[in-house]
Amino acid sequence: QSVLTQPPSVSGAPGQRVTISCTGSSSNIGAGYDVHWYQQLPGTAPKLLIYGNNNRPSGVPDRFSGSKSGTSASLAISGLQAEDEADYYCQSYDSSLSGWVFGGGTKLTVL
Amino acid sequence: EVQLVESGGGLVQPGGSLRLSCAASGFTFNNYAMSWVRQAPGKGLEWVSGIGGSGGNTNYADSVKGRFTISRDNSKNTLYLQMNSLRAEDTAVYYCAKRTYTSGGSYFDYWGQGTLVTVSS
Repeated sequence: QSVLTQPPSVSGAPGQRVTISCTGSSSNIGAGYDVHWYQQLPGTAPKLLIYGNNNRPSGVPDRFSGSKSGTSASLAISGLQAEDEADYYCQSYDSSLSGWVFGGGTKLTVL
Repeated sequence: EVQLVESGGGLVQPGGSLRLSCAASGFTFNNYAMSWVRQAPGKGLEWVSGIGGSGGNTNYADSVKGRFTISRDNSKNTLYLQMNSLRAEDTAVYYCAKRTYTSGGSYFDYWGQGTLVTVSS
């Protein structure tokens, strides 16, 4: 069981907006540590999508956005496209474990 | 262009050992902390171990503590993971990842393509 909790799956039609939640606790997200998001396309390595809660690396479309509040964070994807179909992971740091933690991952299906 | 290329994976029997390598290029290697992250077949990501830029400040997930050792050779721009007493549950794709600090914690901005470790008799 992952320290950060994500829904196993979400889906949406092309053009729609979807959100993926990431719930932590007082030793990670709630302790003030940033949340970062990764996209993993089938058969490939993870790729950084959002860092520092709401910042996009160069080359990531502005359709992707992140937010954080309390012990939770969210990734929003607007204007859904077929190429967005992938697994998405949140990540933070946990002071109780003294290590970096990931969510269990969310599979996004574009209908 | 940042490149991370892992090698050393393969099939090993339970109780055996394996050493993974990650050759880095495209950035000043000794300025950055590095980590190993693994992904069991069909499962999510699990952070395994991390090391500071100078080679100090190592840390490990509880699942591998005492069995795995992370190290680096900054003269060769290479990261290593020595894995001993391997178990079936260590079967995974192992990724090396470059770690960047922020005031709110670190993130992994570049990843290698991964190397598969299979522990089976």
